[in-house]
Amino acid sequence: DADVTQTPRNRITKTGKRIMLECSQTKGHDRMYWYRQDPGLGLRLIYYSFDVKDINKGEISDGYSVSRQAQAKFSLSLESAIPNQTALYFCATSDRTGAETQYFGPGTRLLVL
Amino acid sequence: AQKITQTQPGMFVQEKEAVTLDCTYDTSDPSYGLFWYKQPSSGEMIFLIYQGSYDQQNATEGRYSLNFQKARKSANLVISASQLGDSAMYFCAMRERSEYSTLTFGKGTMLLVSP
Repeated sequence: DADVTQTPRNRITKTGKRIMLECSQTKGHDRMYWYRQDPGLGLRLIYYSFDVKDINKGEISDGYSVSRQAQAKFSLSLESAIPNQTALYFCATSDRTGAETQYFGPGTRLLVL
Repeated sequence: AQKITQTQPGMFVQEKEAVTLDCTYDTSDPSYGLFWYKQPSSGEMIFLIYQGSYDQQNATEGRYSLNFQKARKSANLVISASQLGDSAMYFCAMRERSEYSTLTFGKGTMLLVSP
């Protein structure tokens, strides 16, 4: 089984709809992250959480919110989806020690019509 | 200024040859880490190799090595004996202590390996 899972893997929604992307991990890591990837722009950080009670905004948090329901679960919400939120979304986790390497989930492809 | 610069949008290499993917970085933090990730056409992000700013030796992982030149602020990825399965997008990323250990990514280099 994958260490970091994301649901759904693909989603089509309409402008104005609220949607939630979910991330779960079995790696036992404290830290979790949400990124979005747009063609030609690499990955950009939306939100990150270093533990259940610690939530921080990243580079591009406007239009998004998150919830850290447990150490292993970190959800990303689009309160009112808009077409320029069409992207590939990744969840990642890392330990707090050593290299702090981030390990990524398989991604969610979101299309907002 | 960009923190991570990957100047090669695309690279071509023949199977079994070595290839170098360039990455330069910009930081004033004395403690940082550099990472390379591979993204095949299927979309997942795969961690390849890590170099810490205080590491004396260049990192190696199988056919991957990181040519770390601290004074020049470069962290180039070298892939030896390229294989068709190496065709993918490659991203360089940096973690800085001063930025709460979050990752900043470059825009990536597309590598195509031909038979």
